[in-house]
Amino acid sequence: DIVMTQSPLSLPVTPGEPASISCRSSQSLLHSNGNNYLDWYVQKPGQSPQLLIYLGSIRASGVPDRFSGSGSGTDFTLKITRVEADDVGLYYCMQGLQVPPTFGPGTKVDIK
Amino acid sequence: EVQLVESGGGLVQPGRSLRLSCAASGFTFEEYAMHWVRQAPGKGLEWVSGISWDGGSVDYADSVKGRFTISRDDAKNSLYLQMNSLRAEDTALYYCVKDRVAAVGTEGFDFWGQGTLVSVSS
Repeated sequence: DIVMTQSPLSLPVTPGEPASISCRSSQSLLHSNGNNYLDWYVQKPGQSPQLLIYLGSIRASGVPDRFSGSGSGTDFTLKITRVEADDVGLYYCMQGLQVPPTFGPGTKVDIK
Repeated sequence: EVQLVESGGGLVQPGRSLRLSCAASGFTFEEYAMHWVRQAPGKGLEWVSGISWDGGSVDYADSVKGRFTISRDDAKNSLYLQMNSLRAEDTALYYCVKDRVAAVGTEGFDFWGQGTLVSVSS
């Protein structure tokens, strides 16, 4: 199975400031079709996870443009340009290149 | 509006069986792959099983292979998970999840249900 790691695991943030989460995979997620099979999800307190980014960099429907995904191969980054209080939660990356899809351990984002 | 409503969870003894159901609405169910993802109390997310749009391809996590069976009924817009020989480590909140595409190889899980809790204990 492809192993996903994230850093940091805890990220205190200041509203209005930027934030960044790193995700690494044990194998390249770059398919021969040119797509990176890497998604980002957020699980807000008491809620189900929701899709933020798919195929490495494509924002899901309704996701604010404050969120962006980048990277290729084995190294990926989720960036929030200006953190808002509503952004607190657990952020997970997930690879969809190989079955089984595997998730990172999650990064807890909270307000300083 | 897409809705995924899980049911069938509960408290069950080790070794017993349980069948989870997921009622889907708000999209053309038969066109998309569907999955079950679970989350043990206080833990992260674990993919359990997936089924392609036509049911022709199914996959399982090694931890449940041979014990769990995923199926779908497009006429009823429903997804199922038959869970046999349950173990304490199967205790989790089970989410019904819609894929963005038809095949099991996922390009993103775009809608999640609220989950149904399965507790395995004597």
